[in-house]
Amino acid sequence: DQQVKQNSPSLSVQEGRISILNCDYTNSMFDYFLWYKKYPAEGPTFLISISSIKDKNEDGRFTVFLNKSAKHLSLHIVPSQPGDSAVYFCAAPLGNTGNQFYFGTGTSLTVIP
Amino acid sequence: KAGVTQTPRYLIKTRGQQVTLSCSPISGHRSVSWYQQTPGQGLQFLFEYFSETQRNKGNFPGRFSGRQFSNSRSEMNVSTLELGDSALYLCASSSDSNQPQHFGDGTRLSIL
Repeated sequence: DQQVKQNSPSLSVQEGRISILNCDYTNSMFDYFLWYKKYPAEGPTFLISISSIKDKNEDGRFTVFLNKSAKHLSLHIVPSQPGDSAVYFCAAPLGNTGNQFYFGTGTSLTVIP
Repeated sequence: KAGVTQTPRYLIKTRGQQVTLSCSPISGHRSVSWYQQTPGQGLQFLFEYFSETQRNKGNFPGRFSGRQFSNSRSEMNVSTLELGDSALYLCASSSDSNQPQHFGDGTRLSIL
């Protein structure tokens, strides 16, 4: 049961342009979402998060947008840089007790110099 | 601050054997979670430990078990290994519920 979905396995973008990574979820109980970035042979690293009380959160070149009615969130990276090439995962925790996170299957971003 | 440390980094086992993986969380973090990552499946939640107690559990068979020690270090055990258990096993720690987790670099388990 994939409660968090990333339907695009890969994305290629030219350096300097915008990268948009998408994520959909099915469980309306999710109220907090995170994006992680993963390089090969390393564990995921936290990138940015958003609470359901907001529809946008910005951190430097990274902005996450949340559309609760559509159960959709997106991560915008602008401008994209070659060092952004990695696999990006969206995730959401379920419940108020503990850390049971649901992850998407990831989108591999390639930024072409 | 030292990050999350997982040992070993690589492991090769045969079917039917059992394996124990280790995770040392960031100092002060009491929550430790384990995930299995396989190609095309993303990260699948195994279980979470907090203050030596299993607080959450994913949908994995009983062959997958874990424990947490008083110093928050955690171990994960898989018994009667199957070919399908070949995966990257990731450990993550955090200070509290619903906070960003910090991941180790994982243990790559290969079953022959």
